[in-house]
Amino acid sequence: EAQVTQNPRYLITVTGKKLTVTCSQNMNHEYMSWYRQDPGLGLRQIYYSMNVEVTDKGDVPEGYKVSRKEKRNFPLILESPSPNQTSLYFCASSPKTSGGAVIFFGPGTRLTVL
Amino acid sequence: RKEVEQDPGPFNVPEGATVAFNCTYSNSASQSFFWYRQDCRKEPKLLMSVYSSGNEDGRFTAQLNRASQYISLLIRDSKLSDSATYLCVVSATNKLIFGTGTLLAVQP
Repeated sequence: EAQVTQNPRYLITVTGKKLTVTCSQNMNHEYMSWYRQDPGLGLRQIYYSMNVEVTDKGDVPEGYKVSRKEKRNFPLILESPSPNQTSLYFCASSPKTSGGAVIFFGPGTRLTVL
Repeated sequence: RKEVEQDPGPFNVPEGATVAFNCTYSNSASQSFFWYRQDCRKEPKLLMSVYSSGNEDGRFTAQLNRASQYISLLIRDSKLSDSATYLCVVSATNKLIFGTGTLLAVQP
């Protein structure tokens, strides 16, 4: 089944404790992206990657890191999480980077930072 | 001004009603347009793409007005299962821009 998977789905952690949210897609998509969703603010892009070893900042990259060593994986790293990073996170992938491409989302990771 | 704006709702409608959502976008160079549906605490999923000529999929009709820079979604004969948040999505170079969504609640 074609899909985007994320782990963990739920995470409660404490301020400053490094964490990684994994993301994997089995559709051979070039484009992958991370979003956070907060009430009243909608989906905001954190980072995106147009291909292996190519990553770029989205609209809200502060406090996050990503890597794209393989085409299928795009982990999101929070080196020192803070309470303002409590949010619902979605990984997404798409077959191309612009115009007309449908984007597929993972199931989401609900993160709480205490 | 937000790049993509939607009325957040909620739209409370009875079953069988027709409901319309509008969305405006600010970038005249936007290339592609979509409506996504998001159920509570779930991931957004593509409902339909929006074409300049307008397109229909069953009870759903999407329209694009490039001159006025707005997109619409019409749902006819609303079902309880249509209750969700509807996201307007606009494609610009290398990124998708999401509206904050319009909440639809269909009442029995």
